[in-house]
Amino acid sequence: EAQVTQNPRYLITVTGKKLTVTCSQNMNHEYMSWYRQDPGLGLRQIYYSMNVEVTDKGDVPEGYKVSRKEKRNFPLILESPSPNQTSLYFCASSLAARGPNTEAFFGQGTRLTVV
Amino acid sequence: LAKTTQPISMDSYEGQEVNITCSHNNIATNDYITWYQQFPSQGPRFIIQGYKTKVTNEVASLFIPADRKSSTLSLPRVSLSDTAVYYCLAQSGNTPLVFGKGTRLSVIA
Repeated sequence: EAQVTQNPRYLITVTGKKLTVTCSQNMNHEYMSWYRQDPGLGLRQIYYSMNVEVTDKGDVPEGYKVSRKEKRNFPLILESPSPNQTSLYFCASSLAARGPNTEAFFGQGTRLTVV
Repeated sequence: LAKTTQPISMDSYEGQEVNITCSHNNIATNDYITWYQQFPSQGPRFIIQGYKTKVTNEVASLFIPADRKSSTLSLPRVSLSDTAVYYCLAQSGNTPLVFGKGTRLSVIA
């Protein structure tokens, strides 16, 4: 089954404790991205990757890191989480970023709480 | 970067046709228009995509005029389960798949 898998689904952590949210897709998609969603603010893009070893900042990259060492995985790293990073996070992938093949598939979401 | 503008919210009764219009004045020649649907606490789900004229699938229709500066998502005979947020995307520039705040559709019985 074609899917994007995020882990964990729920996470409560303390300020400053490094964490990683994993994202994996099994569709051989080139494009992957991370979003956070907060009430009233819609989906805001954190980072995106056009292909292996190619990553770029989205609208709200501060406090986050990503890596794309292999095509299927795109982990989101919070080196020193802070309470303002409490949010619902989504990973997405698509065959391409522009043109007719941009149908994006989203993961189930990760609800992160930083206390 | 192409900016899209949609109504913040819409209400509709069950069984009615709902049309959500999105404006994208700065759309680039090579860009497609894509609509997504999102339910609470779930990731967005692709609905439909088009370049110009009309596209129809089992879920919705998408109307795009010749100048491509706007598009209209049409949902026929909505039901309560169509209550969701609908996003219009029109990519331009180098930042792909940027979502705005979308249109919150509430379907009333």
